[in-house]
Amino acid sequence: DIQMTQSPSSLSASVGDRVTITCRASQGIGKYLAWFQQKPGKAPRSLISTVSSLQGWVPSRFSGSGSGTDFTLTISSLQSEDFATYYCQQYYNYPFTFGPGTKVDI
Amino acid sequence: EVQLVESGGGLVQPGGSLRLSCEVSGISFTNYWMNWVRQAPGKGLEWVANIKEDGSEKSYLDSVKGRFTISRDNAKNSLYLQMNSLRAEDTAVYYCAGGLGGDYWGPGTLVTVSP
Repeated sequence: DIQMTQSPSSLSASVGDRVTITCRASQGIGKYLAWFQQKPGKAPRSLISTVSSLQGWVPSRFSGSGSGTDFTLTISSLQSEDFATYYCQQYYNYPFTFGPGTKVDI
Repeated sequence: EVQLVESGGGLVQPGGSLRLSCEVSGISFTNYWMNWVRQAPGKGLEWVANIKEDGSEKSYLDSVKGRFTISRDNAKNSLYLQMNSLRAEDTAVYYCAGGLGGDYWGPGTLVTVSP
């Protein structure tokens, strides 16, 4: 199975901060990397697919990049509604696997 | 508006069975791979199974192989998960997610496996 790791596991930030979350795969996954946002008590919501393609409802302050095994999610200017847990997921090989999550709070 | 709505969760004893359903609207269901993803209380996300647009390909997490069966009815825009021989470790919120990379998600349905 492909193992996904994320760093940091949590971070404290302020509105307006630039935030970067790193996701690493245990082997190459091509472009098959997605990012999700989850708020407490809510379902996850897709932010980005295929490394860098933003879903239509996602603000442009979010961006994704990377290749091979190393990927990043960047929030250019953190807003209050962005405080949440973020997960990466590979869908290159079965079983699809998620990272453990990064909690972003104040 | 895209909507995915799961149903069928509940409390079941170990060894029991449940059938989850997911009704999809707002997208062309027949154009999407469909997934089941679960989240145990206080834990992260775990992919469970998926099925190709026409139902011809199915894949499962090893720990549910032989116990869970994913299926779909494209005429009804619906996805299903038949869960047999349930174990305590299957306790989780189960989400259906549309698209190979999980573009659309439902609100989830809670499955609790307990005596």
